[in-house]
Amino acid sequence: AQSVAQPEDQVNVAEGNPLTVKCTYSVSGNPYLFWYVQYPNRGLQFLLKYITGDNLVKGSYGFEAEFNKSQTSFHLKKPSALVSDSALYFCAVRDGDNAGNMLTFGGGTRLMVKP
Amino acid sequence: ETGVTQSPTHLIKTRGQQVTLRCSSQSGHNTVSWYQQALGQGPQFIFQYYREEENGRGNFPPRFSGLQFPNYSSELNVNALELDDSALYLCASSLRGDTQYFGPGTRLTVL
Repeated sequence: AQSVAQPEDQVNVAEGNPLTVKCTYSVSGNPYLFWYVQYPNRGLQFLLKYITGDNLVKGSYGFEAEFNKSQTSFHLKKPSALVSDSALYFCAVRDGDNAGNMLTFGGGTRLMVKP
Repeated sequence: ETGVTQSPTHLIKTRGQQVTLRCSSQSGHNTVSWYQQALGQGPQFIFQYYREEENGRGNFPPRFSGLQFPNYSSELNVNALELDDSALYLCASSLRGDTQYFGPGTRLTVL
């Protein structure tokens, strides 16, 4: 079984400040980790993924995420938040040992960036 | 390169009816996955199709069924609709085992 926890329903940050959106996971095999963003009435947009290699992964729009195997975490970060970053963020995991394995998503974290 | 498209955008049905949702995968992708996103929740995996065969299924009853066509487009069919089936239905395409790219979704309302 696999699962994802996003402990914060909402994160509030001022524009220009750094942001962190937290994610912890559980998976029996090799963790493949993903972050997606969802804007109102839209589908999910891929931001970044960790498959293997460097624990710090860089993605779209200045976002990055840090994989921590011992803490089973994959927190999303950005050095300087923009108002346009306000959206719903989802962390997802799948078992990398199974090519056909499903994505399991967390419940989402709403990011509010205030001017 | 064309992204993932879904039709229709919105749909209203009544309990007991049947519905078919459609998805066109991104060019070059051979795998389609379907997810249900209830209001205020994360997406839940329904099933995945690879080369026209079901390749994995989540915890959804048999009245949720699907098809994948030779051009890798896909349909999701739901029979005997229930009120709890009201949700955003998301289709994602990928190469098998690679990153999934999502379409805009179909908003289904069951009255």
